Amino acid sequence: AQSVSQHNHHVILSEAASLELGCNYSYGGTVNLFWYVQYPGQHLQLLLKYFSGDPLVKGIKGFEAEFIKSKFSFNLRKPSVQWSDTAEYFCAVNRATGDSWGKFQFGAGTQVVVTP
Amino acid sequence: NAGVTQTPKFQVLKTGQSMTLQCAQDMNHNSMYWYRQDPGMGLRLIYYSASEGTTDKGEVPNGYNVSRLNKREFSLRLESAAPSQTSVYFCASGRVYGDTQYFGPGTRLTVL
Repeated sequence: AQSVSQHNHHVILSEAASLELGCNYSYGGTVNLFWYVQYPGQHLQLLLKYFSGDPLVKGIKGFEAEFIKSKFSFNLRKPSVQWSDTAEYFCAVNRATGDSWGKFQFGAGTQVVVTP
Repeated sequence: NAGVTQTPKFQVLKTGQSMTLQCAQDMNHNSMYWYRQDPGMGLRLIYYSASEGTTDKGEVPNGYNVSRLNKREFSLRLESAAPSQTSVYFCASGRVYGDTQYFGPGTRLTVL
């Protein structure tokens, strides 16, 4: 069963619109949280990550994400998207198991298309 | 730095054939990973190596084997390929297990 859920599989929006992508995970305890992006024809690359501290994290290219522990969520946001943000976005979670880390789990991904 | 490299980029196999996917990283990372990416399913972890000398099963290990040849190289072997193994395979590495992963360009495998 998928332990990391991304609510939208496909999002289409216009340039300058705001973007929010949901990510929820289904286990408690300490987690490391990541958002990765895959631009067309390119490698997956890290957008941002949360390990501890301020639950609002900022990443590259104007993206940010908020960790809400009570909701088991780590939603990605960008106030104003550009055509170049067209990509597939993946949420990933790794949870602590004892004094080490468990297996990484990725969400199914959200394909974002930004129209001019 | 080349980062994470994978060979081959594309491969077509017939059912029952075997092959090895190669992965190498030049970032002196301790951990390495193999994933498969299928439409609508995201990335699923096949095997990982938290550090040189160790390997562990991921979410979908059946039909695969791995070898952590040295700190730089982590190979994935399909002993008897099946059509269900048609996928895009990504290798990744990380400085330490649990931290950011750096991905290779992927291998697109088709099993007929």
